Amino acid sequence: DAGVIQSPRHEVTEMGQEVTLRCKPISGHNSLFWYRQTMMRGLELLIYFNNNVPIDDSGMPEDRFSAKMPNASFSTLKIQPSEPRDSAVYFCASSFPTTSVGEQFFGPGTRLTVL
Amino acid sequence: EDKVVQSPLSLVVHEGDTVTLNCSYEVTNFRSLLWYKQEKKAPTFLFMLTSSGIEKKSGRLSSILDKKELFSILNITATQTGDSAVYLCAVSGRDKIIFGKGTRLHILP
Repeated sequence: DAGVIQSPRHEVTEMGQEVTLRCKPISGHNSLFWYRQTMMRGLELLIYFNNNVPIDDSGMPEDRFSAKMPNASFSTLKIQPSEPRDSAVYFCASSFPTTSVGEQFFGPGTRLTVL
Repeated sequence: EDKVVQSPLSLVVHEGDTVTLNCSYEVTNFRSLLWYKQEKKAPTFLFMLTSSGIEKKSGRLSSILDKKELFSILNITATQTGDSAVYLCAVSGRDKIIFGKGTRLHILP
């Protein structure tokens, strides 16, 4: 198995531009998580999906952020318009759900820099 | 407010030493506590704990959960330079997961 796949690996953009991050979870996993990691705030859960349905999006910072999961093998996280404070590493993770949030497999991350 | 607090924030020891990392938490409808190791890339899973008092072991690493006192410890014995990393504790409640800021462990040769 290729593991969780994220693209792009690095993104540099200018303030105000739209950014779209992509994630392909591990086949057979039906929970998918988007995280943001910065030195100041650590690892923060933005949103997670179970069977393609958003379960908790309370971590999404504001309306500029949106996430979709149109099918079991693909998810996007979009930032529009982007701001310099959005610069961070964005991780996608997937897991097979049990009665709790279980072992998560993380993708390699997308390092986003907004100038 | 739900939170996860890890201590110490940073730790430097010599190879061969034993270390204990701490994680305390407050979360509504606790489901599980998870430990991850993060080197330069993405976090990798170490343990998931759901029951008090049952030690989980993997080689030189072990962890235990105390649901009454709301904390967990991660022990690493006979540390090696390859153990240098940030160790993250996460706690899941109903429909949420919260990560601590991590403990940065550096092992000197």
